[in-house]
Amino acid sequence: AQKVTQAQTEISVVEKEDVTLDCVYETRDTTYYLFWYKQPPSGELVFLIRRNSFDEQNEISGRYSWNFQKSTSSFNFTITASQVVDSAVYFCALSIWSGGGADGLTFGKGTHLIIQP
Amino acid sequence: DTGVSQNPRHKITKRGQNVTFRCDPISEHNRLYWYRQTLGQGPEFLTYFQNEAQLEKSRLLSDRFSAERPKGSFSTLEIQRTEQGDSAMYLCASSLEGVHLRREKLFFGSGTQLSVL
Repeated sequence: AQKVTQAQTEISVVEKEDVTLDCVYETRDTTYYLFWYKQPPSGELVFLIRRNSFDEQNEISGRYSWNFQKSTSSFNFTITASQVVDSAVYFCALSIWSGGGADGLTFGKGTHLIIQP
Repeated sequence: DTGVSQNPRHKITKRGQNVTFRCDPISEHNRLYWYRQTLGQGPEFLTYFQNEAQLEKSRLLSDRFSAERPKGSFSTLEIQRTEQGDSAMYLCASSLEGVHLRREKLFFGSGTQLSVL
């Protein structure tokens, strides 16, 4: 079975600080996909990134960056120069490839990020 | 592209009553997913459809739950004889293909919040 752990329940920082959200996953499959989603107060989950298990290259998108390390089964998310609009709950998720089977995502419990002005 | 639409946004019902939710996916998206999210938790996969075929159901989907997608477009999720433990946000998502293919991603709706009294 798959498992995603987001140990940080809530993080509060002052605007413009950098913040890293941790994600640790467990799976026995060698082919899998990792995701980050943002859930603002409106409730709609917003896709941020998808990474497959064969691509350990880190990615940067504006103020967002992701660090994927298979050796530690981690897929951490960093926001640089945080802004109030970044305040939301962030979810890390895992999906395995089962040769045409379900694409159901296994989500972590989420990290509530609060950016104070 | 009007996004994934879910109705109603909120539903309050008494224990033992039946409830039905509707999801309208993004047009032409052939995959449709149902997730459930309780307070402080990440979404949990319930079931998904490829066009009108229901391809997988989670163990979370008890016999009181039934989902349909009769014409491969909108979907309904019905809960019979509701229990207080059914209180949750029910999220619908859609994608053109599976999330493993061609960099596809899930688009989520804002959910239906169910409260069982």
